[in-house]
Amino acid sequence: DGGITQSPKYLFRKEGQNVTLSCEQNLNHDAMYWYRQDPGQGLRLIYYSQIVNDFQKGDIAEGYSVSREKKESFPLTVTSAQKNPTAFYLCASFEGGRTEAFFGQGTRLTVV
Amino acid sequence: DAKTTQPTSMDCAEGRAANLPCNHSTISGNEYVYWYRQIHSQGPQYIIHGLKNNETNEMASLIITEDRKSSTLILPHATLRDTAVYYCIVRSRTTSGTYKYIFGTGTRLKVLA
Repeated sequence: DGGITQSPKYLFRKEGQNVTLSCEQNLNHDAMYWYRQDPGQGLRLIYYSQIVNDFQKGDIAEGYSVSREKKESFPLTVTSAQKNPTAFYLCASFEGGRTEAFFGQGTRLTVV
Repeated sequence: DAKTTQPTSMDCAEGRAANLPCNHSTISGNEYVYWYRQIHSQGPQYIIHGLKNNETNEMASLIITEDRKSSTLILPHATLRDTAVYYCIVRSRTTSGTYKYIFGTGTRLKVLA
């Protein structure tokens, strides 16, 4: 079955460490997105990518980095520069311009 | 980017229609309205989308006003499993040709037994 997979579901890191969240899709979608969600809040856009080797900053890109070396993969690195990294992170993909976005089940990152 | 405004929360009796409003007064002519819902700590689930005509699928109906400044999502017979946060989103096309989905804070719908 096609889908979008985020791993791990729960992640714990010490303050000051970089951590990379995985997002893989086998839907052959062009566009991929990373969102952050805080308790009781909506989703805020971190980064998005339309095609391989290209990506754009969203509304809250500071302290995050991404890469898009393969169409199927769009990993997000939460760097030590991100002041408040504890949050729920969601990845999405869609076939650019058509239909709806498909979301992964999210990664809950806790920094202690 | 177009922004959306939704009520923070709503209640609906089980079996009744749930009508969820959304304002998107700055929407431009080629921007679609999408609705998603999110059940606690899961990824958002697509419901329906439209440009200017009313739309219906197996989950819901979407009514868009003629001036496209607002829309209403209708769940015709709400069940307890429809309890979730519902997001109204405008999908905007950027100057570079990419698409952005801008989420608001959504409406927390509680279906009551």
